[in-house]
Amino acid sequence: DSGVTQTPKHLITATGQRVTLRCSPRSGDLSVYWYQQSLDQGLQFLIQYYNGEERAKGNILERFSAQQFPDLHSELNLSSLELGDSALYFCASSVESGLGILNEQFFGPGTRLTVL
Amino acid sequence: AQSVAQPEDQVNVAEGNPLTVKCTYSVSGNPYLFWYVQYPNRGLQFLLKYITGDNLVKGSYGFEAEFNKSQTSFHLKKPSALVSDSALYFCAVRDIWGNTPLVFGKGTRLSVIA
Repeated sequence: DSGVTQTPKHLITATGQRVTLRCSPRSGDLSVYWYQQSLDQGLQFLIQYYNGEERAKGNILERFSAQQFPDLHSELNLSSLELGDSALYFCASSVESGLGILNEQFFGPGTRLTVL
Repeated sequence: AQSVAQPEDQVNVAEGNPLTVKCTYSVSGNPYLFWYVQYPNRGLQFLLKYITGDNLVKGSYGFEAEFNKSQTSFHLKKPSALVSDSALYFCAVRDIWGNTPLVFGKGTRLSVIA
């Protein structure tokens, strides 16, 4: 168990809908990362938050947004869903030293999103 | 720009034999390098990392990786494979001085046959 929790585990919804995925990082970790894993695209970095602020952005669609709350949990919002958004969405957390040192990320179990 | 390549989609090895999962990288400066493993229906688990120092890095579950700067490689190895090592393996890289996120390879599926 990595200490990172994600809810829900599975989500089935229809095209055009909006969903929210939730992540709680390991205790003490200030950084949260979101990734999308699909068969054809592999593991794609979406966005990173550090202590409530957006730190880095990857291949995140405009229909997607995220935030990190004062208690450090994070939510990923996916709207106007399309069939191609069906994927596994992972959250990861890490300790940041503030000196640019990159520490290993600890991944949650993921949320499997199916868009019908 | 930084990138990582895992040239093999699939590696098959007999139980008890040594295994190697290949990874090559490209960064503008010195690299941070990581290996992660993903078991079915699970998130990625950290195996090992290279930042600086000894080129041979030892990690979890008996895995090790060798950093080769001249060949820009960071191959994952294990002297004797177990059936339970069957999983998806990801290599990841970032420039040591950059402020960019970790870049993951597409993954290599390892199948250890009894």
